[in-house]
Amino acid sequence: NAGVMQNPRHLVRRRGQEARLRCSPMKGHSHVYWYRQLPEEGLKFMVYLQKENIIDESGMPKERFSAEFPKEGPSILRIQQVVRGDSAAYFCASSAAGLSDTQYFGPGTRLTVL
Amino acid sequence: AQSVSQHNHHVILSEAASLELGCNYSYGGTVNLFWYVQYPGQHLQLLLKYFSGDPLVKGIKGFEAEFIKSKFSFNLRKPSVQWSDTAEYFCAVNPYGNNRLAFGKGNQVVVIP
Repeated sequence: NAGVMQNPRHLVRRRGQEARLRCSPMKGHSHVYWYRQLPEEGLKFMVYLQKENIIDESGMPKERFSAEFPKEGPSILRIQQVVRGDSAAYFCASSAAGLSDTQYFGPGTRLTVL
Repeated sequence: AQSVSQHNHHVILSEAASLELGCNYSYGGTVNLFWYVQYPGQHLQLLLKYFSGDPLVKGIKGFEAEFIKSKFSFNLRKPSVQWSDTAEYFCAVNPYGNNRLAFGKGNQVVVIP
């Protein structure tokens, strides 16, 4: 029973490039969450999606960041024109149901911006 | 501001010692509470959770946590740690009816053989 899958595990980008992070939820899960962990900080909520819908993006920076969870395929977190401050670990979680259900986490993508 | 606090970010102890990690939160109302663990090189794993009922919760690997509503706390304990318990431990709070988890900054625990 595969858990939450994320790829790539490590991503290096130069300033100004685009970063695309992928997340495949656990089998049977239709709720996806993205979190960001900066050095020496806890995880911070970014966005919550269901299939084809963004439910809550209140933790997402207003510019350059977007997320989607299409009907087919993984959820994508996209960061345009990356800056050094975007360097962080990005974690995806999934749950079977929505509100207050247990979230299961993937291994994360560590983004380094040069 | 609403927050989750974990103190003593770095904890070093010897095998067989007892471990207690504090977690305090400032959210009002009903909350769901979690402890996650991240072993070196691995992803976050659920250690235990509290939704309702008995405030003393048993988790995996001999861990337990106690929810004390009056103190807004959910402290994690293990009576006798092993070297394999070396990991980072995160407390997380989910205000009921909310979809997001709010995390503390984590406790880096190192167990010396």
